[in-house]
Amino acid sequence: EIVLTQSPGTLSLSPGERATLSCRASQTVSSSYLAWYQQRPGQAPRFLIYGATSRATGVPDRFSGSGSGTDFTLTISRLEPEDFAVYYCQQYGSSPITFGQGTRLEIK
Amino acid sequence: EVQLLQSGGGLVQPGGSLRLSCVASGFTFSTYAMTWVRQAPGKGLEWVTALSGDGVHVYYADSVKGRFTFSRDNSKNTLYLQMNSLRAEDTAVYYCAKNLRDGAATYEYWGQGTLVTVCS
Repeated sequence: EIVLTQSPGTLSLSPGERATLSCRASQTVSSSYLAWYQQRPGQAPRFLIYGATSRATGVPDRFSGSGSGTDFTLTISRLEPEDFAVYYCQQYGSSPITFGQGTRLEIK
Repeated sequence: EVQLLQSGGGLVQPGGSLRLSCVASGFTFSTYAMTWVRQAPGKGLEWVTALSGDGVHVYYADSVKGRFTFSRDNSKNTLYLQMNSLRAEDTAVYYCAKNLRDGAATYEYWGQGTLVTVCS
C-alpha cells in the first residue's frame, strides 16, 4: 500500500499570500496518478487536480499541481478567503487507492 | 448537471445492517465506474469500494471485505452499498463518487454524504 504523507499538518497564511502544500509518497506513484481535493467544513470534497498537474473543470487557475515520482505539490498562488479549507492528496496508480491525512489551511 | 443524491444511513447497533443508496443524474451512468469513500468523524478520507460501469468488476478495502456489498442498477441510475456486520469503526460519513473516467479512479463528483453511526 502506498502511504501518502502531507506536510505541513496546518498552514497559517493570510489572504493574498502564496500557499505550498506537499504530498510525499512511500513509493513511486505510477503515471503520476496523483489528485488533490479541497474540503470545506461540512461539505463533500471538491475535485481540484488530477494527473498531478491537470486542473479539473471550473477550478481557478490560481490552483496548480506539480511533481512526479514520490514528491508532489499543490500551489495556490494568491489565497482567496474561500480557499481556507482542508486539502487532501490521493494516489490512484496502485491498489488500494489511498489518501493523505490532509493539510489544514487556516487564516493567519 | 451531474448530481449524486444519497439516502440511507442512520444509527445502528454493532453487528447490524444498513443499506445506502445513491441516485445519479446528468451523465451516462452505465459507462462510469463508481466508488464509495468514507470519512470517520474528524478524520481523513478512506477509499471503501469501487464498481465498474457494467457492475461486473468490484473491489473492496480489506477493512470491509466480506461485510459490505456494492451493487448498481443501471436501469435506475442507482448505487447500493449493503453494509452487514457493522462495527464501531465503520462509523463515518459515506460518500458516493463518480470516477473521472475508465482507468482513472479519481473522483470528479461527490454525493452530499450520509452519516452512519454504529453504537450500542
